[in-house]
Amino acid sequence: DVKVTQSSRYLVKRTGEKVFLECVQDMDHENMFWYRQDPGLGLRLIYFSYDVKMKEKGDIPEGYSVSREKKERFSLILESASTNQTSMYLCASSSDPHTRADTQYFGPGTRLTVL
Amino acid sequence: AQSVTQPDIHITVSEGASLELRCNYSYGATPYLFWYVQSPGQGLQLLLKYFSGDTLVQGIKGFEAEFKRSQSSFNLRKPSVHWSDAAEYFCAVVTPSGNTPLVFGKGTRLSVIA
Repeated sequence: DVKVTQSSRYLVKRTGEKVFLECVQDMDHENMFWYRQDPGLGLRLIYFSYDVKMKEKGDIPEGYSVSREKKERFSLILESASTNQTSMYLCASSSDPHTRADTQYFGPGTRLTVL
Repeated sequence: AQSVTQPDIHITVSEGASLELRCNYSYGATPYLFWYVQSPGQGLQLLLKYFSGDTLVQGIKGFEAEFKRSQSSFNLRKPSVHWSDAAEYFCAVVTPSGNTPLVFGKGTRLSVIA
């Protein structure tokens, strides 16, 4: 079974802090994604990566950055956390190197609260 | 750009009753279509997907979905709902060319009552 793990289930940070959310997948998948999920808004894509050291902006990249130094690990970085970044963050991966039109496998999510 | 609409924000059904969750998409050609389920406090799990072929797709947990090109729909169904089906359900679409990632609907929350 594909396993996608996220470093924390719950995280509480203060405004202005730099926050790192880590995601690791164990199935040698090429593509990795970061979403945020808010009530009534569904899943919104923040960033995705289809190769090591490659990244592409999703629909809402403002206030976020990402890092993918190794194939299995995709990090989401909040440079200076703000209260409007309080949300559930979901990481996903998919295997097909030639397309992003493939089944995505999700981690359990990190619920981030910024005070 | 493709988009997906789930018209029902919240649905309540009785245990044992049938279920249909609606999904409509907007795209010029036939996209790839997915249904995911999210149990409380969990990530998303794939229920089923449609790429091509038979328009009635069987998934896990007794779910099925039917692709109707004429209606631009991909509705999810289950003949008899169990209390454990209470969750949030997301429909997603993507262009077969694969140049852009999945686009998710806003979700439908399902409550099951005794």
